[in-house]
Amino acid sequence: SQQGEEDPQALSIQEGENATMNCSYKTSINNLQWYRQNSGRGLVHLILIRSNEREKHSGRLRVTLDTSKKSSSLLITASRAADTASYFCATDGDGGYIPTFGRGTSLIVHP
Amino acid sequence: DTEVTQTPKHLVMGMTNKKSLKCEQHMGHRAMYWYKQKAKKPPELMFVYSYEKLSINESVPSRFSPECPNSSLLNLHLHALQPEDSALYLCASSARTGTLTDTQYFGPGTRLTVL
Repeated sequence: SQQGEEDPQALSIQEGENATMNCSYKTSINNLQWYRQNSGRGLVHLILIRSNEREKHSGRLRVTLDTSKKSSSLLITASRAADTASYFCATDGDGGYIPTFGRGTSLIVHP
Repeated sequence: DTEVTQTPKHLVMGMTNKKSLKCEQHMGHRAMYWYKQKAKKPPELMFVYSYEKLSINESVPSRFSPECPNSSLLNLHLHALQPEDSALYLCASSARTGTLTDTQYFGPGTRLTVL
């Protein structure tokens, strides 16, 4: 079953703008991860945030986690055309055994 | 080396064919995964191997048969597939199962088309 649900499903912006995508989940988690997938390729791990953390940064990426609202957001600052991809959140899922991926957000960054 | 390799990159097969997908990692990871991904959908877990033993089978039809010959290799044997099985098949590995603390490293995938 899908635990995470990303919002929006699609996002189109201009290069240089910021992109924000959200992930909501249903059950309690230990960790939440964000992945990027370029068209037809494998997934690339971006960042992991633990349930006791509220915010993490990695380069132009900023992830927040609000366990009270069961939601996370991924902010990409100063976007580039190369950021065009699908972004998925993955949560522990029921029992915390294996990752469960959300539907994903498709991001298009226009040069 | 943080690479997971998959072969072939593309595969076209008929419904009566038998073929295999291969996955390899040399990171010393003890958990390996097969996922199926349809266009514009998230990856769906098919199988998990932990220490070379099948630990999870997500109710996958028997026309898909996984095999883990050793800790570095993972195969997916295909037989009598249906056109709806056409998808991107992704392999992944992680240090261990049991926690999402471990990052999953994905291969580039095999694009499978069943005619």
